[in-house]
Amino acid sequence: DAGITQSPRHKVTETGTPVTLRCHQTENHRYMYWYRQDPGHGLRLIHYSYGVKDTDKGEVSDGYSVSRSKTEDFLLTLESATSSQTSVYFCAISESGTGNTEAFFGQGTRLTVV
Amino acid sequence: GESVGLHLPTLSVQEGDNSIINCAYSNSASDYFIWYKQESGKGPQFIIDIRSNMDKRQGQRVTVLLNKTVKHLSLQIAATQPGDSAVYFCAESSPSQAGTALIFGKGTTLSVSS
Repeated sequence: DAGITQSPRHKVTETGTPVTLRCHQTENHRYMYWYRQDPGHGLRLIHYSYGVKDTDKGEVSDGYSVSRSKTEDFLLTLESATSSQTSVYFCAISESGTGNTEAFFGQGTRLTVV
Repeated sequence: GESVGLHLPTLSVQEGDNSIINCAYSNSASDYFIWYKQESGKGPQFIIDIRSNMDKRQGQRVTVLLNKTVKHLSLQIAATQPGDSAVYFCAESSPSQAGTALIFGKGTTLSVSS
C-alpha cells in the first residue's frame, strides 16, 4: 500500500458531536482527497486539497470541513455529526492531481453516528 | 451532474474464464480514466489507467479499452482467478472537475467460482 494511514479505523459517535478523521501520508504528494462511500452511490468527493492550506469543496461537502496545515496531514471534521453521515470514509493522495495521475487510497474509516 | 456508470452491478464467472466489465461515461470532456479494484474491508486499489488519446492499454492480465465515440470503457481480465473477486470501479476525470478529482461509477461486483 502507498504510505497512507487513516485514523481511527472505526468510530461510533453520537448525533450532534463533532468528529475529526485524520489522514496521514508519507509520500509527499501534493493532492489529498476525502471521499465517502455508501451503498448505491459509489465513492463521492467531499473535499480536496491541492497544497498546504489550499482546500476546496467537492460534490458532498455540506456538514464537513477540512484542514491541511502540513503536507502530510489532511483532517476531515464533521462539525455536528448526523445519522446521514454514517459511512465509510476514504482518504486518497495523488502526486499531480487525478487529471494526470492515479490516486492511491487509504484503508478507510468506518463511522457510525447513533 | 455528470456521472460514470457501469452496465451491470454483478458478474459471475468461472475460474479461468475471461471477464469483461463495462462502464459508460457521460462527460465527453473526460480525458483520463482509471479502473480500481476494491476488496471487502479495503480501500480501492489502482489497476490500470488510460488517457483519451489512446483506445487500448494492456497490463498484466488486464486490458482497458476506451471507445470515445460511444463513451464506453471496459476492463478485460484474462484467465480470471478467485483472487480477482472484488468490486470494480471505473473512474473518470476531466479538466472541469473540481481539483481534477475522480468521479466514480457505482461498481460491478465480480464473483469468481472455482
